[in-house]
Amino acid sequence: AQKVTQAQTEISVVEKEDVTLDCVYETRDTTYYLFWYKQPPSGELVFLIRRNSFDEQNEISGRYSWNFQKSTSSFNFTITASQVVDSAVYFCALSESNFNKFYFGSGTKLNVKP
Amino acid sequence: GAVVSQHPSRVICKSGTSVKIECRSLDFQATTMFWYRQFPKKSLMLMATSNEGSKATYEQGVEKDKFLINHASLTLSTLTVTSAHPEDSSFYICSATDRGQYGYTFGSGTRLTVV
Repeated sequence: AQKVTQAQTEISVVEKEDVTLDCVYETRDTTYYLFWYKQPPSGELVFLIRRNSFDEQNEISGRYSWNFQKSTSSFNFTITASQVVDSAVYFCALSESNFNKFYFGSGTKLNVKP
Repeated sequence: GAVVSQHPSRVICKSGTSVKIECRSLDFQATTMFWYRQFPKKSLMLMATSNEGSKATYEQGVEKDKFLINHASLTLSTLTVTSAHPEDSSFYICSATDRGQYGYTFGSGTRLTVV
């Protein structure tokens, strides 16, 4: 069965600190996709990244970086030099294919204080 | 890029009435649409999957007669919450895919409050 675990319910940091959000997943499929979404208070889901199971390269996009390790079934997300605007709930999700339903983690609420 | 429009963004209705939420793919044909529900401070849970022209497939525990899903065209799916009660108050969000170049796109969500 598919499952996504985000053990950190809430994290508070001071602006400019680095912060890592953890995501551990379970799946029996060999082909799957992992996602990170940001959900601000307004509710919409903002797409951050998609990674397929065959691509273990880490990725960096500005202040955001992702570490995908199949050996530990983890797909962690790091924000460098956090900013107040980064405050939101972040969801990690798993999909069995590129076009199938998502299994969401429980989300991590990030509070960045000035 | 792909855009999914969800309407209304917020709705307040009286207990016992029905509410319809629309999800439209604006620039692609959505062969499959998904409906999720999110309780306050909780994760998103899949309610149902709908393929154009077919009956929706509901997840276990979701009442088919209460949450009516219609996917009559390649650009529109609707979720009707029938005889709404306060416990149906939630954030509902749809997503759509063309199973091709447009990937998978979420709507902006609908916050339903039943009073």
